[in-house]
Amino acid sequence: QQPVQSPQAVILREGEDAVINCSSSKALYSVHWYRQKHGEAPVFLMILLKGGEQKGHDKISASFNEKKQQSSLYLTASQLSYSGTYFCGTGGHSGNTPLVFGKGTRLSVIA
Amino acid sequence: SQTIHQWPATLVQPVGSPLSLECTVEGTSNPNLYWYRQAAGRGLQLLFYSVGIGQISSEVPQNLSASRPQDRQFILSSKKLLLSDSGFYLCAWNFNRVTGELFFGEGSRLTVL
Repeated sequence: QQPVQSPQAVILREGEDAVINCSSSKALYSVHWYRQKHGEAPVFLMILLKGGEQKGHDKISASFNEKKQQSSLYLTASQLSYSGTYFCGTGGHSGNTPLVFGKGTRLSVIA
Repeated sequence: SQTIHQWPATLVQPVGSPLSLECTVEGTSNPNLYWYRQAAGRGLQLLFYSVGIGQISSEVPQNLSASRPQDRQFILSSKKLLLSDSGFYLCAWNFNRVTGELFFGEGSRLTVL
């Protein structure tokens, strides 16, 4: 079942913060976040495996609330390079279970 | 190092014509391979995946098919394309078999006219 992402789109000015949410009606074993630049392939950002886990690099971080079956991606002090479409993907309890992706959140950062 | 290649990068095909998209992975063995399609408003839709030679799982009933003739080769085909087959086709392999992270190829953009 496809996870639901919100918002569908967001426009930010450089330096502003944003939160992208991902929720599922099914139990989540893992949540993957990817970013896709226009016309390019999605690129892996991070994976969260455990409830309560938080991760981040640079100014992009994510959290995973296993009980609520939700994950959030936090973009802090956004830069122009953050523009793109962000996808969350939900996995099963095995690495062989294919990821099911949400419809994506289009993020546009303007100067 | 591991790489993944797709071709062709772009193609324009008439309705009813056949299709063959190829994907190869280098630098690894026995990868799990996936075909996703990206159409407007639908995000990344899983089409097929394969955990080994000759093993194909289909996620969406359609006029597409997939084959894995060699360990590191994954092919997406159609005998007769429909307008609705237009989209951006992405091949991927999971570079971490335990947790399933994906690395995507460059993609093949198909326009059916």
